[in-house]
Amino acid sequence: DSGVTQTPKHLITATGQRVTLRCSPRSGDLSVYWYQQSLDQGLQFLIQYYNGEERAKGNILERFSAQQFPDLHSELNLSSLELGDSALYFCASSPEGVLNTIYFGEGSWLTVV
Amino acid sequence: DQQVKQNSPSLSVQEGRISILNCDYTNSMFDYFLWYKKYPAEGPTFLISISSIKDKNEDGRFTVFLNKSAKHLSLHIVPSQPGDSAVYFCAASEISTASKLTFGTGTRLQVTL
Repeated sequence: DSGVTQTPKHLITATGQRVTLRCSPRSGDLSVYWYQQSLDQGLQFLIQYYNGEERAKGNILERFSAQQFPDLHSELNLSSLELGDSALYFCASSPEGVLNTIYFGEGSWLTVV
Repeated sequence: DQQVKQNSPSLSVQEGRISILNCDYTNSMFDYFLWYKKYPAEGPTFLISISSIKDKNEDGRFTVFLNKSAKHLSLHIVPSQPGDSAVYFCAASEISTASKLTFGTGTRLQVTL
């Protein structure tokens, strides 16, 4: 158990819909990351938040947005969903001062039908 | 553009033998490299890392080798055990950004009895 909690674990929704994925980082971790893993793809970095502020942005679509709340949990919002958005979405968090070592949650499986 | 490549999608090794997983990268700005291990229905877990100032890092049965001139790294597992059966992801980052990890597509290792 990494200590990073993601909900829901599985989600099936229709094209055009909007979903929210939730992440609780490990206790004390200020950084939260979101990654997307599509079929036969490596993990693609989407976005990072640090203590409520956006720190880095990757290949995140404009239809997607994220935020980190004062209690440090984070949400990834996916809207106008397309079939190609079906993927495993990982949240990760990292401790202060530990360079580039991040802890991943179990992921949220999103299926768009 | 796949900046981190794992060209072998799968590898099968007998228990007790050496497993060698390979990874190539194209971005010369990468200066920190990590290996993650992933079991089904779990998030990736950190295994071992190496910075570009070293060419080898060892942790128990796991050793990572870095060849900067060839932009190549490898993970050696000796001896391989059935519990090592998992998907292994290579990842790279720039220490200066210290946030965004670029992952390869993974290699599925099967350790047979």
